Amino acid sequence: DTAVSQTPKYLVTQMGNDKSIKCEQNLGHDTMYWYKQDSKKFLKIMFSYNNKELIINETVPNRFSPKSPDKAHLNLHINSLELGDSAVYFCASSEDTEAFFGQGTRLTVV
Amino acid sequence: AQTVTQSQPEMSVQEAETVTLSCTYDTSESDYYLFWYKQPPSRQMILVIRQEAYKQQNATENRFSVNFQKAAKSFSLKISDSQLGDAAMYFCEKMGLGGSQGNLIFGKGTKLSVKP
Repeated sequence: DTAVSQTPKYLVTQMGNDKSIKCEQNLGHDTMYWYKQDSKKFLKIMFSYNNKELIINETVPNRFSPKSPDKAHLNLHINSLELGDSAVYFCASSEDTEAFFGQGTRLTVV
Repeated sequence: AQTVTQSQPEMSVQEAETVTLSCTYDTSESDYYLFWYKQPPSRQMILVIRQEAYKQQNATENRFSVNFQKAAKSFSLKISDSQLGDAAMYFCEKMGLGGSQGNLIFGKGTKLSVKP
């Protein structure tokens, strides 16, 4: 079983659209994250949730809204997509000593 | 603000040789965890090695070892007997104590090439 799973793996969409990326972890971890990896491979944290509560919210356009319906899920909704949103988005979860990553979602905005 | 710095954007090593990737970090915490992750072209993030800051002994995993200098806040990764499959992006990461603080900080990565 995949520990942290993201869907979809690839997403191509037009500017202006609204899209969501889903993330689920079956590890029982309390903390989940969203990271954005740009074309230069920089990994930048966007959001972090602990027990469904937002604990880190970096400087991210408010078009990005995370939603955590329960401890095992942290979805990322993006409104009014822009070309600059094209990147790979990683979900991760952690507890105590290690973080586990999803396989990433490559978002391409055209 | 806490930071993790990888000063080498790219490195290259000959197959079977040894290479060291550098990482320094800034923190006011006394206890934390440090990691090296590997990201091959498949883009999956793979844990390479982990070091607990309160342990003085350097972590080792097969061909991978670290040189952890807590006072200097340095955490370098040594890859011995480099193999073609080691070619990837390598990220240094610091995790706050307990991992539940939502505090995972990554360096900007080092792209490692392995020459046959």
